[in-house]
Amino acid sequence: AQTVTQSQPEMSVQEAETVTLSCTYDTSESDYYLFWYKQPPSRQMILVIRQEAYKQQNATENRFSVNFQKAAKSFSLKISDSQLGDAAMYFCAYRGGWIYGGSQGNLIFGKGTKLSVKP
Amino acid sequence: DVKVTQSSRYLVKRTGEKVFLECVQDMDHENMFWYRQDPGLGLRLIYFSYDVKMKEKGDIPEGYSVSREKKERFSLILESASTNQTSMYLCASSLDRGLNQPQHFGDGTRLSIL
Repeated sequence: AQTVTQSQPEMSVQEAETVTLSCTYDTSESDYYLFWYKQPPSRQMILVIRQEAYKQQNATENRFSVNFQKAAKSFSLKISDSQLGDAAMYFCAYRGGWIYGGSQGNLIFGKGTKLSVKP
Repeated sequence: DVKVTQSSRYLVKRTGEKVFLECVQDMDHENMFWYRQDPGLGLRLIYFSYDVKMKEKGDIPEGYSVSREKKERFSLILESASTNQTSMYLCASSLDRGLNQPQHFGDGTRLSIL
């Protein structure tokens, strides 16, 4: 079965510092998308950033960027200049093609990393 | 912005009751999903639907059923609620089956079965 692994159940960062959240995945597909979602406490889950497997350039959204290593099947999220509002659960997710049902829009999620931001 | 609305934020029911969780999206999305979220387990897909009256089982469909009579509404049904179904339930929708399409989530329903 397809798996997405987030090896860090919890992380902590000082305000204004940089933190990197890890994600690895297992796939035999060549075309797929990877996503990072953020779920603040008692609030809605929202999309942070996404990356297409065919694009070598790492995606960036303001203070959020990814380090996508396709051969290593690694997709880490870097948060620069961390802010108190970044405190949340972060989920890495994979969507593939027909092999893993992604052709129907399915996402496969990791178990999440809880990020705390210290003032 | 896409709006995915779940009918209840908190719900308490008793063992054996039939429970309905409702989800409505306002962006004419084709795909809709129901997940449950448990600490340490992440999100697990229960059922999904890619068209009206269509449904597909996800990873953990046992004890659940779904209904999609209208495109904007996707209901999750617990036929006979049990205590192990106490969980956070998340509804999501996406525009279509495109790989790049993100899912948009509702606020979640925290369901307690006593």
